[in-house]
Amino acid sequence: GDSVTQMEGPVTLSEEAFLTINCTYTATGYPSLFWYVQYPGEGLQLLLKATKADDKGSNKGFEATYRKETTSFHLEKGSVQVSDSAVYFCALSPNAGGTSYGKLTFGQGTILTVHP
Amino acid sequence: GAGVSQSPRYKVAKRGQDVALRCDPISGHVSLFWYQQALGQGPEFLTYFQNEAQLDKSGLPSDRFFAERPEGSVSTLKIQRTQQEDSAVYLCASSLGPYSYEQYFGPGTRLTVT
Repeated sequence: GDSVTQMEGPVTLSEEAFLTINCTYTATGYPSLFWYVQYPGEGLQLLLKATKADDKGSNKGFEATYRKETTSFHLEKGSVQVSDSAVYFCALSPNAGGTSYGKLTFGQGTILTVHP
Repeated sequence: GAGVSQSPRYKVAKRGQDVALRCDPISGHVSLFWYQQALGQGPEFLTYFQNEAQLDKSGLPSDRFFAERPEGSVSTLKIQRTQQEDSAVYLCASSLGPYSYEQYFGPGTRLTVT
């Protein structure tokens, strides 16, 4: 079945440092890929997505590129802020067709803490 | 407009009790998903509704778990004879439709079984 593997955390960085959170996946076909973020005390929010190979998703300074050859979707940000402290989840969803209806398969999450 | 709401936000149940968790999706959203999130893990799919039809219940862990969405809007996840392993956060998400539409998540219900 489908699966997502994220780098283990927690990740602790100083403000303005470069961030990479690795994500690899296993899936049949060509899924859509997502990064979700969960800020303290809040629900899951979609951060960015990519629906086909070589697409780059971006939002709030974060980027991730859909790499079919390496089955990866690593999250990057050039300069993190304290307000980026949150839990980040990589996820995939099959595209149209079949009987999955777009249900999401998540990685285990990576806790990011950014210090001033 | 209003997002997805869930109630109660917190529920403590004694082992063996039945619980009912409610989800109010965004108005007009056809698709509704339930997920279970154990502590320190990512959410895992439980079941999917398209309007009032439950089209996928492959993720429900046992026959103690039951979900319904009788009028195609509000959904209820019911757990009978709760066990300690049922302790988790239960998340509801809704979307305009299946597949490529963005799923909007509620804040979750944290269930603790003692």
